[in-house]
Amino acid sequence: DAGVIQSPRHEVTEMGQEVTLRCKPISGHNSLFWYRQTMMRGLELLIYFNNNVPIDDSGMPEDRFSAKMPNASFSTLKIQPSEPRDSAVYFCASSPPTGSNQPQHFGDGTRLSIL
Amino acid sequence: RKEVEQDPGPFNVPEGATVAFNCTYSNSASQSFFWYRQDCRKEPKLLMSVYSSGNEDGRFTAQLNRASQYISLLIRDSKLSDSATYLCVVNYDYKLSFGAGTTVTVRA
Repeated sequence: DAGVIQSPRHEVTEMGQEVTLRCKPISGHNSLFWYRQTMMRGLELLIYFNNNVPIDDSGMPEDRFSAKMPNASFSTLKIQPSEPRDSAVYFCASSPPTGSNQPQHFGDGTRLSIL
Repeated sequence: RKEVEQDPGPFNVPEGATVAFNCTYSNSASQSFFWYRQDCRKEPKLLMSVYSSGNEDGRFTAQLNRASQYISLLIRDSKLSDSATYLCVVNYDYKLSFGAGTTVTVRA
């Protein structure tokens, strides 16, 4: 079975550029999460979608960050304009609809470097 | 105070040894508990769920103490491939709270 698929795997870009990260959750999963991981702050939840609707975006750092989920099989996280402090690994995760206590399954992550 | 606190380690153990570590969590209303494993430059992967009665999965044993709000993981007969960072994860509603991880290094 295909797991959570993220693209790109790596992104290097200059500050000020727009960055778009993509995620395809596991088929049948109705919850989707975007995380950011850094050495200093560990894993942080950025935003949570349930049935394509954003439920909690309190972790989104600032207005430069936005996320969408136009359908059940696709989500994007966009940073515009990007800054060097946005450099991190961004993970997408999904979980099944059988209750809120299900473990989440993570994609391989996007390693983002902003120069 | 962090929601989930873990001893960062590292725990350096020889092959075949037993290693155990735990974590504490602050939200007494937490509903479910997990251990995830993360290898260097990889994504977190579910190792096992943790139940109040304690549970085993091969060489791994997890325990949950709700009264004291701590979770433990024990690895028996450790293998080189067990070298990783182990993340203690606590769930309240939909939200997972991750510990910073305990690093385990198994040496030959």
